[in-house]
Formats: sequence, structure tokens, C-alpha cells
Amino acid sequence: AQRVTQPEKLLSVFKGAPVELKCNYSYSGSPELFWYVQYSRQRLQLLLRHISRESIKGFTADLNKGETSFHLKKPFAQEEDSAMYYCALSEGGGATNKLIFGTGTLLAVQP
Amino acid sequence: EADIYQTPRYLVIGTGKKITLECSQTMGHDKMYWYQQDPGMELHLIHYSYGVNSTEKGDLSSESTVSRIRTEHFPLTLESARPSHTSQYLCASSPWGQETQYFGPGTRLLVL
Repeated sequence: AQRVTQPEKLLSVFKGAPVELKCNYSYSGSPELFWYVQYSRQRLQLLLRHISRESIKGFTADLNKGETSFHLKKPFAQEEDSAMYYCALSEGGGATNKLIFGTGTLLAVQP
Repeated sequence: EADIYQTPRYLVIGTGKKITLECSQTMGHDKMYWYQQDPGMELHLIHYSYGVNSTEKGDLSSESTVSRIRTEHFPLTLESARPSHTSQYLCASSPWGQETQYFGPGTRLLVL
């Protein structure tokens, strides 16, 4: 069955430290993966998607099909990065694009 | 301004009451979704729609029902609320041919 696993509920780092939020998935087809973010008192929003191969707010994520992972990385954390991060997998593609979410990781960046 | 709206934002209601959670989007999107999220847990898809008069059940079984009479409107109804329905409900929309979903602010429901 399709599944997204985020093993860490909480990740606490100091400002300027590297960040890696882990995401593993299980999917029988060719997945499309996303990272969504929810800042305090704001709605859930897209951070980045693997197909775009872009860097948003200094974050990058590489799809590793061999390890079935899509970890989110940033070399130097900022306090404003503190938020809830959800990894998501799109199944069906095209017409359906139903999202399967992980349980989320709360990133706390300490000053 | 193009956006997705949910009302009410918070609702406290007694067991047995009928409730409707509203979701409207002014982005012209064909696809709309309802997710349920319990505290500290993942979002679960409970309903989705490809367009007017299209509704499908999601991966998580839900006693709620939805309708899609207009493109911009996708309300969710609980005929008889129970404490087990206490949760956060998130509405989202997506344009045809795209995977990205755009989320509303959510409704936090507490059933006493």
C-alpha cells in the first residue's frame, strides 16, 4: 500500500545549522512527491515538488528512487524556517492526483 | 482576490446536530478535496470532486457527505454530529492537469 513515513515528529536545531527532514515512501508506480509547509497561524502551502527540481527558501529535496526517499535539506537554518513540514505523495497522476501525507515534522530553529 | 475560503473557522456543537462546513474557491479550479486531520496525525483524504456533479469518497471512511452543484462550492455535511467527528477539516482545490493543491485555512470542529 502507498505510504509516506516521516520518522521524526520534532527536529530542533540551532540557527545556522544544517537541516535534514526525512521522508520515505512506498509506492508501486512512479511517484510524484511534494513538501508542504505550515507556518504558525497560516494555512498549509506547497514548499516544493520534486519534478520542479527547484530550491525554495534555500530548501532542496532530491528524489532517491533506490532508497525510496525524498529528504528535505537546507544548509543553514533560519528562525523563520520554524514550521510544520509535511511530505506528500501524489497517486494516480493527472486526473485524480490524490495526495497521501506523512504525519509531519515540526522544525524548531533555536536562536 | 483568488483564494479558497472555509467557514466557520471554529465550531463547537452538541451531539446529534446537523452541520455543514462550507468551502468556496475563487480560483476557477475544477478539482476540490476534503481532508480530515486529527491532532499530531497525518491528513487523510475523505472526499474529492473532479467537477460539477462529481463526488468521490477518499481513502478514509467518513460519515460525512459532500455535494458539488457549483464549480466554486464544495460543502461537507454531517447529518448527526458525534464526538468522534471532532477534528480539523481542510478543504483544497487544484486546477485540471496540475498536481499542486491549494489549501483553505481549515475548520476546527469540536463535538460535545
